[in-house]
Amino acid sequence: GENVEQHPSTLSVQEGDSAVIKCTYSDSASNYFPWYKQELGKRPQLIIDIRSNVGEKKDQRIAVTLNKTAKHFSLHITETQPEDSAVYFCAASIRHGGSQGNLIFGKGTKLSVKP
Amino acid sequence: NAGVTQTPKFQVLKTGQSMTLQCAQDMNHEYMSWYRQDPGMGLRLIHYSVGAGITDQGEVPNGYNVSRSTTEDFPLRLLSAAPSQTSVYFCASTPNVWDNTNTGELFFGEGSRLTVL
Repeated sequence: GENVEQHPSTLSVQEGDSAVIKCTYSDSASNYFPWYKQELGKRPQLIIDIRSNVGEKKDQRIAVTLNKTAKHFSLHITETQPEDSAVYFCAASIRHGGSQGNLIFGKGTKLSVKP
Repeated sequence: NAGVTQTPKFQVLKTGQSMTLQCAQDMNHEYMSWYRQDPGMGLRLIHYSVGAGITDQGEVPNGYNVSRSTTEDFPLRLLSAAPSQTSVYFCASTPNVWDNTNTGELFFGEGSRLTVL
């Protein structure tokens, strides 16, 4: 079946450093790639997303890049802060049945930012 | 708007018992879905619905039933609970199935933590 691989599973950085999380997907028809942040005990929340007709998107300290040929996309966080500490999930849209709206999630990356 | 509301937040069941996790959204979203989250496994899609009266299976549907009689509600039923169904369950919704012009953002409920003994 379709899947999304996410690496690394844990990432520890010093405050102010950059963090990069990488994902690969298997469904060549995927056209929407969101990233979610989940703090401990909370619900996942969208932080940034990208569509297949765009190669890069930025929003302040976070950016996402997409390489459709290689079927991988990455999340970049610059100038990390302790409040960036959380679990981050990548996801890719898949077509299932009559819907093109379902998401397949990676297994998550636990990011720890040390003061 | 309350957004996506799930009840109960916590539940303990014995093996073989049945129960229903409730999910309601007040945003008039067409698409609703249920995910389960297990340590190290990410979020896995159980069932989804693209509108009232329409449901379909996701990645891990076995042991779960759903129905969608109204746009607002999408309950998840466990017919005979098993310890393997111990998990955190999230309901999520979005305005429409995605196309190139839709945001596609999934709005999650707060989650329901289920323990099956």
